[in-house]
Amino acid sequence: KAGVTQTPRYLIKTRGQQVTLSCSPISGHRSVSWYQQTPGQGLQFLFEYFSETQRNKGNFPGRFSGRQFSNSRSEMNVSTLELGDSALYLCASSLARGRAAGEQFFGPGTRLTVL
Amino acid sequence: KNEVEQSPQNLTAQEGEFITINCSYSVGISALHWLQQHPGGGIVSLFMLSSGKKKHGRLIATINIQEKHSSLHITASHPRDSAVYICAVLYSGGGADGLTFGKGTHLIIQP
Repeated sequence: KAGVTQTPRYLIKTRGQQVTLSCSPISGHRSVSWYQQTPGQGLQFLFEYFSETQRNKGNFPGRFSGRQFSNSRSEMNVSTLELGDSALYLCASSLARGRAAGEQFFGPGTRLTVL
Repeated sequence: KNEVEQSPQNLTAQEGEFITINCSYSVGISALHWLQQHPGGGIVSLFMLSSGKKKHGRLIATINIQEKHSSLHITASHPRDSAVYICAVLYSGGGADGLTFGKGTHLIIQP
């Protein structure tokens, strides 16, 4: 069974631009969660999607958004990029959602650099 | 704000030593995860616990719900165990939160 895939793996953008990252979950997994990892803040929860609906959202500004498609693939978008958005963005998939999610399977991440 | 505290932050040990990493949290949880992150960023889920103890190979994870504390043990440590170990919890209170993560423990096992 293929693991969680994320594209692209590396991305360089400039301030003010927008970016879209993609995550394909393990086949059969319907929940996709997104996380941001920075050296200063560590890992932080961004949002969770299940059945094409955002179910949970972390404490991030509205510039961070996402969506999930009918095949469970998910995208996240960051608009008006700031230097502080430079981070490793990880997605994880699981069979169920929220408190019944069980084990999460992480993708390799997308490393975003904002210049 | 609900916090997850890990200790130690950094740990260097010799091959073969018994390793313990600790995680404390502040309020009731639905589940606690132990994750492993190697250089380059990839994260692997090691355990998910809501009570008791789990073992997988040389790794053992325990949780004490009353004490709000979990430990990850590595027996007969090996240089390939060198990684960052991260504790994460899913709080059981109301609200729409996802996992809350500790800052991680940087483990180095020297041959």
